[in-house]
Amino acid sequence: EDQVTQSPEALRLQEGESSSLNCSYTVSGLRGLFWYRQDPGKGPEFLFTLYSAGEEKEKERLKATLTKKESFLHITAPKPEDSATYLCAVRRLGGTYKYIFGTGTRLKVLA
Amino acid sequence: GAVVSQHPSWVICKSGTSVKIECRSLDFQATTMFWYRQFPKQSLMLMATSNEGSKATYEQGVEKDKFLINHASLTLSTLTVTSAHPEDSSFYICSIPKDGGGADTQYFGPGTRLTVL
Repeated sequence: EDQVTQSPEALRLQEGESSSLNCSYTVSGLRGLFWYRQDPGKGPEFLFTLYSAGEEKEKERLKATLTKKESFLHITAPKPEDSATYLCAVRRLGGTYKYIFGTGTRLKVLA
Repeated sequence: GAVVSQHPSWVICKSGTSVKIECRSLDFQATTMFWYRQFPKQSLMLMATSNEGSKATYEQGVEKDKFLINHASLTLSTLTVTSAHPEDSSFYICSIPKDGGGADTQYFGPGTRLTVL
């Protein structure tokens, strides 16, 4: 069965304290892995798409990496405005557009 | 990316009434749109896939007669919650897939908060 697990469930960091969020997945053939940021009361905001193991993408303080079993979202020197829930989703090979979402990591960055 | 709007952003209604939520693609034509529901501190649950010109595809456990979906045009899909009850109170979000390189990245709307009294 296809599954996405994110850890930790919640994370508190001091401003400037780098860390990583984990997304482990089990899927019968990966078409793409997606990272989103969601602020309270808003829809998810697209961050990255990763397609194959070894791929990396960066945007400001965020860097996403992908292996055959998991993806990491590295946050370097976070700021309070990085506080949000980070969602991971996968789409498997095949004709469907469906995403399988993880439950997210709630990040709080303290000033 | 893609620009997606939803209307209304929030709605409060009485139990037994019907509520319509609109999802619009503002910058390209979308033959497919998705409707999700999200309960507090939970992840997004796909409800249905909206297809322009044909019937929507509902996920297992989602009542198609309660959640009516109409993909009226290539830029508009509507979700109508019929005879709403307090347990239908939730955050409803639509998304639109757009090919950003092969994996059809989904771009989400801002969401609609439904509260049923």
